[in-house]
Amino acid sequence: AQKVTQAQTEISVVEKEDVTLDCVYETRDTTYYLFWYKQPPSGELVFLIRRNSFDEQNEISGRYSWNFQKSTSSFNFTITASQVVDSAVYFCALSEVGGSYIPTFGRGTSLIVHP
Amino acid sequence: NAGVTQTPKFQVLKTGQSMTLQCAQDMNHEYMSWYRQDPGMGLRLIHYSVGAGITDQGEVPNGYNVSRSTTEDFPLRLLSAAPSQTSVYFCASSYGSGELGYTFGSGTRLTVV
Repeated sequence: AQKVTQAQTEISVVEKEDVTLDCVYETRDTTYYLFWYKQPPSGELVFLIRRNSFDEQNEISGRYSWNFQKSTSSFNFTITASQVVDSAVYFCALSEVGGSYIPTFGRGTSLIVHP
Repeated sequence: NAGVTQTPKFQVLKTGQSMTLQCAQDMNHEYMSWYRQDPGMGLRLIHYSVGAGITDQGEVPNGYNVSRSTTEDFPLRLLSAAPSQTSVYFCASSYGSGELGYTFGSGTRLTVV
């Protein structure tokens, strides 16, 4: 069965600090997708990124970057020079191609960025 | 506006009452799912559907029913509400395997008293 672990329940940083949110996953499939979602205080879920298991290239989008390492079953998310607007709950998720494709989510990491 | 529409946004029920949470999408997505979000528990899958006429159970299906008679709609029924069902419910949809991500509705905050 698939499982996603986000060990950091809450992270508190001061604006402009870099912060990394950890995500470790378990799956028996060789083909799967990994996702990150953001849930700001307003409550909606915002899709950030999807990676497939065959693509281990790191990705950068502005201040956001993602590090995917199959060897350690991790898909970590780094925010560079954090801003107050980054304050949100961030969810990592996994979906198995050999299964239903429906994502399993981690419990989320609450990021608080202080001015 | 293309997207996933959930109604109602807020609901208070008495224990034992039944109700249906509505979810509709206009993107012709095959996959639809219902999650509940509770503090510290993340999003847990209740039921999902991979196409019209096909549904299956997720991690926490007890007390909930679903049906998928059309591609667009995926209602979630609470048969006899219990306080343990107090939660925020999210509906999501995707095209195929989610290569463009799953689109979520804005959520329904349900309180059972």
